[in-house]
Amino acid sequence: NAGVTQTPKFRVLKTGQSMTLLCAQDMNHEYMYWYRQDPGMGLRLIHYSVGEGTTAKGEVPDGYNVSRLKKQNFLLGLESAAPSQTSVYFCAIRGAPSDEQFFGPGTRLTVL
Amino acid sequence: AQSVTQLDSHVSVSEGTPVLLRCNYSSSYSPSLFWYVQHPNKGLQLLLKYTSAATLVKGINGFEAEFKKSETSFHLTKPSAHMSDAAEYFCVVSQYGNKLVFGAGTILRVKS
Repeated sequence: NAGVTQTPKFRVLKTGQSMTLLCAQDMNHEYMYWYRQDPGMGLRLIHYSVGEGTTAKGEVPDGYNVSRLKKQNFLLGLESAAPSQTSVYFCAIRGAPSDEQFFGPGTRLTVL
Repeated sequence: AQSVTQLDSHVSVSEGTPVLLRCNYSSSYSPSLFWYVQHPNKGLQLLLKYTSAATLVKGINGFEAEFKKSETSFHLTKPSAHMSDAAEYFCVVSQYGNKLVFGAGTILRVKS
């Protein structure tokens, strides 16, 4: 998956618990993205980053926070998990000027 | 704003017969368009991309797509389906070169 790793691969949470998903890249790309995938809805953008120390909201940012303290890492946090956040989460990277994105293997999250 | 409509949620073909997955897009300017494939429980892999060069784009594994501006379409085709082509396919448009907008996906089933 083009130098993009995600941890963990699977996680089960109870409602109200918190967790952090880690996306790491070894391609030195500036742009990093977090998506969620739900059946019949394609992938929807949660948050993204255009460089170290920057973040921006995507299409469905509510209930999530992100940080990009190091260029190679992009963290997605859930402060108080809800069942509606049960999904598969994908991280992606992009190197300018190309608009092609490379995706990680995904994290399957279940919130009970 | 850009948007993508995949006209079929499921397509079923017999092995060795042609594949056609339909995609229409909406864009206020000349778009970049992509097709991604996702095999069961896997990440997303880029099949092909259109970036305003040739209107007929060839991708991996024998797939190709034709950009038709007059019809705002970017349909994906393959002359002869193989069992390994069974997967979910996403048509994607690039929004302002930064963010991707995904269609809802088409699940391709290949019958032996």
